[in-house]
Amino acid sequence: EAGVTQFPSHSVIEKGQTVTLRCDPISGHDNLYWYRRVMGKEIKFLLHFVKESKQDESGMPNNRFLAERTGGTYSTLKVQPAELEDSGVYFCASSQDLIRRVGGYTFGSGTRLTVV
Amino acid sequence: GNSVTQMEGPVTLSEEAFLTINCTYTATGYPSLFWYVQYPGEGLQLLLKATKADDKGSNKGFEATYRKETTSFHLEKGSVQVSDSAVYFCALSSLGSARQLTFGSGTQLTVLP
Repeated sequence: EAGVTQFPSHSVIEKGQTVTLRCDPISGHDNLYWYRRVMGKEIKFLLHFVKESKQDESGMPNNRFLAERTGGTYSTLKVQPAELEDSGVYFCASSQDLIRRVGGYTFGSGTRLTVV
Repeated sequence: GNSVTQMEGPVTLSEEAFLTINCTYTATGYPSLFWYVQYPGEGLQLLLKATKADDKGSNKGFEATYRKETTSFHLEKGSVQVSDSAVYFCALSSLGSARQLTFGSGTQLTVLP
């Protein structure tokens, strides 16, 4: 099966600009997660979709971040306006079954965002 | 809340050396514990896991034992290879967190030939 696809792989933008990251989960996976790693620190949870609904968005840092999941398929994460501290690697993950697959997510290769 | 403390890197070893990467955790209840690995240019991959105390997870020559008494899950490998060069992340998941993962800060491992 195809893996989780994220693009772009890299993005360099200026402070104040808008950037949209995209994640295509594995087909049929209802659960989709966004995580990010900032400044080489720990990877932190941002939010969790079940199909098109936001199940948990407790990790979203502020209202400059907006995540959507159109029709329960791909997801986008928009940062508007971007700040320097938003630089980092943004990971997407998907899984089919929340209860059984403990930790059994499939991660994408991430989008490296640099805000200058 | 949940937290994972991981050995700071970077770690540089010669091929065939013994590897230990320390990981300790704080969590409510009985979490599941994981090691993830990120090879250059690739996504995070599950390396091994353990779901209850005294379980040993193993894969590709790596091992880690779930130690409840010391709240630890140290990663070990007896003889590392150049191909093991990657970033390693310790993580946990607990029922109360709806299966979201709490990660450590990652340890960059470089193995020299």
